[in-house]
Amino acid sequence: QVRLVQSGAEVGKPGASVKVSCKASGYFFTTYYIHWVRQAPGQGLEWMGMVNPSGDTTSYAQKFQGRVTMTWDTSASTAYLELKSLRSEDTAVYFCTRESISCFGHWGQGTLVTVSS
Amino acid sequence: DIQLTQSPSFLSASVGDRVSINCRASQGITNHLAWCQQKPGKAPTLLIYDASTLRSGVPSRFSGSGSGTEFTLTISSLQPEDFATYYCHQINTYPPTFGGGTKVEI
Repeated sequence: QVRLVQSGAEVGKPGASVKVSCKASGYFFTTYYIHWVRQAPGQGLEWMGMVNPSGDTTSYAQKFQGRVTMTWDTSASTAYLELKSLRSEDTAVYFCTRESISCFGHWGQGTLVTVSS
Repeated sequence: DIQLTQSPSFLSASVGDRVSINCRASQGITNHLAWCQQKPGKAPTLLIYDASTLRSGVPSRFSGSGSGTEFTLTISSLQPEDFATYYCHQINTYPPTFGGGTKVEI
């Protein structure tokens, strides 16, 4: 079955960077786009961007342009999210999710990123 | 960007109740709308896609309807495990967007 397993919780200082991983299994990694979505405490879901492993492309939400880098390692079936210049408002749970039929059909368990000095 | 507006934001209900949650899109998205359920501390899980197609394994008390700009998620008889937050989302028109969520509580 399809599984997305994310790396563990991270704590970052303001101005620093954090990198979260998402290891996929149960399907051919390059067949589907992987997206990143975050959820601040008590808030809704916010799309950050996506990677297309087969097309070698990325697309980022305008809000995160310049601060986010999404990469992947096909040999490891793993996608990565790096967020730079951390601010307190970046404290959130970060999810990877895989596209299915016109929807986000599979989700990682989430990674809590806490920004604190 | 396509805005998805959910209503209500909060819904108080009892076990056995029939409940409906609405999602309005700022422009037509044909039937390309999905619904997810999220429980506290957990990742969202897909319930319905293409507006009305139930994901395999999802109980039949969940149903979806609508097309264009108006969509509805209905739970025919609320069960204790259904108390959660529900989100609509669309990914066919970039950027993908989510509704603000509907928290179903006792």
